[in-house]
Amino acid sequence: SYVLTQPPSVSVAPGQTARITCGGNNIGRKSVHWYQQKPGQAPVMVVYDDSDRPSGIPERFSGSNSGNTATLTISRVEAGDEADYYCQIWDSFSDQAVFGGGTKLTVL
Amino acid sequence: QVHLVESGGGVVQPGRSLRLSCAASGFTFSTYIMHWVRQAPGKGLEWVAVISYDGNNKYYADSVKGRFTISRDNSKNTLYLQMNSLRTEDTAVYYCTRDLGNNFDYWGQGELVTVST
Repeated sequence: SYVLTQPPSVSVAPGQTARITCGGNNIGRKSVHWYQQKPGQAPVMVVYDDSDRPSGIPERFSGSNSGNTATLTISRVEAGDEADYYCQIWDSFSDQAVFGGGTKLTVL
Repeated sequence: QVHLVESGGGVVQPGRSLRLSCAASGFTFSTYIMHWVRQAPGKGLEWVAVISYDGNNKYYADSVKGRFTISRDNSKNTLYLQMNSLRTEDTAVYYCTRDLGNNFDYWGQGELVTVST
């Protein structure tokens, strides 16, 4: 089955740029979606189809996808961005959704 | 606005069964694909199952195939997850989610299922 690999943790100072990667075999050929989950809350989609933003998501959140790596970029990081972030794809070969292991973003 | 409300969770012994429900409102339920996603305590997200808008097509994660059944009643705007032969490793918060395009644009608040002796 398809595997998505994320770093367990990323740390960034307020106002700086955070980049969270999601690795997978030829992931650039798939649509990647990203979710933010704060403690005790349900996940919220922040980027879909590699780089589109749902309504209400700040422009500070952006995404890219090429080759074997997809990236979620959070510009001008704020304390409120501290959360777990998950990437996700749909594996059409197995007809299953796949999540990455998640990355904990810490704002220093 | 879109609302998804799960119910039916609780504590159950290994080998027993439980059925989760998800009441949907704020959108035309019968025109959307729906999923269940779960999260074990302190762990990441795990996709469980998906059902087509008309209920005719269903797919499952390997970890639940043959034990769990996803279904829907479009007349009641409700999604279900029948969980049989439960194992301790099925302990998790179960989320009902709406499909936007092979992703999940709305999530319920989650329902805790604990499988324990």
